[in-house]
Order: sequence, then C-alpha cells, then structure tokens
Amino acid sequence: GENVEQHPSTLSVQEGDSAVIKCTYSDSASNYFPWYKQELGKRPQLIIDIRSNVGEKKDQRIAVTLNKTAKHFSLHITETQPEDSAVYFCAASAAGSSASKIIFGSGTRLSIRP
Amino acid sequence: GAGVSQSPSNKVTEKGKDVELRCDPISGHTALYWYRQRLGQGLEFLIYFQGNSAPDKSGLPSDRFSAERTGESVSTLTIQRTQQEDSAVYLCASGNRQGSYGYTFGSGTRLTVV
Repeated sequence: GENVEQHPSTLSVQEGDSAVIKCTYSDSASNYFPWYKQELGKRPQLIIDIRSNVGEKKDQRIAVTLNKTAKHFSLHITETQPEDSAVYFCAASAAGSSASKIIFGSGTRLSIRP
Repeated sequence: GAGVSQSPSNKVTEKGKDVELRCDPISGHTALYWYRQRLGQGLEFLIYFQGNSAPDKSGLPSDRFSAERTGESVSTLTIQRTQQEDSAVYLCASGNRQGSYGYTFGSGTRLTVV
C-alpha cells in the first residue's frame, strides 16, 4: 500500500523568509496530492492540491511542486507571516480508483519567528 | 449541510463505558474517513468507507472500535469499554468521487476518558 513520508517534523523560520516542506510517496498509482494546514485546536483545512498531470501549482504565497519520477512533492511558502504558524500535512491518493485511500504524512510543525 | 458535522464536540466518559461518535458528511460525498489525533500528534487512520464497497477497517486499533455507515450518509464510530488511551480528538472527513476533489474535515469530537 501507499506510504507517505514527510520532512522535517519541525521547522522554524524567520518571518519573511521561505519555508519548504518535503514529502515522498511510494505508490506510483498515486495521482492526487493535497496539503492541509491545521492551526492549534482546529480541524485540518485543505490549502492547496496538485494532480499528477502538472508539475507545479501556485496560489499567492503558496506553491506545490511534484516530481513524479522521483515520487516526491513539496510545499513552498514564501514571505512567511505569523499566521502561517501551524502543522502542515501532505497526503497522497489514487483519486478515481475505487480502491483508493488517502494517506497522510506525519506532519510538519512550522513556527514563524517574529 | 455546508460542511462535515460531528457530534458531540466534546465527550467526557468514565473508563469502561461505551461511547458513540457521529459524523454527518457533506451531501453527495461517497467517501468517509475516521481519524484519531492524539494531542500534538499526527492523523491516525481508523476506517474508510467508499460508497457501497466493503469498508477498509485496517486502521481500527482493537476490536473495541467499530464503525457503521448507512449508504452515503451518517456514520457512527463506537468505542466499547473505553480506556484512558482512547482519549483523543476523533476527526471525520468526507470527499467525493474517490477523492478527486479533496477531502473536508469536520471539527472533531474531543474524547476524554477519566
């Protein structure tokens, strides 16, 4: 089955700097890769996703890149702000497959230093 | 409804008692997941329902845990003879078309076993 590994487990960056979180997956059938942000005491919320037919997707300060050959994908946050402090989870699934199950990484706790 | 609804939001129970947690998915969502999240930890997969297919119960930690779903509607997670280690937030997520468009989480049930 699918296995998703996420690094680093914790990340501290200076406000205004960039943050990068990396994930690898094992199942070549995976074709959908969402990222979730979970603020303290709140539910995880989808912030961006990418499908395997594209290599990069951007939404304002957030971007995700996908390397299908290497089976890894990354979240990039530029010009970080205090409100970016949260736990971020990557995930992978074979969307459209009846046997698909979304698998989450173990999470990255991002702290933005003022 | 507009989102995934979980009830109760908080539950305190005595060790040894049974509890039932409820999840109302977004209307039309065929996929439904239950996750457990202990304090400061990641998302622990419990069970996955997809339409009328047999559920994937591979994440249930013991036979004290069970879940049901009627068609593509409400799901209940039952924990029998609760133990202190069952204390956690139990999150439900639903999605459509085998996750083609991402998953939405409910706000969770915080279970405390005393």
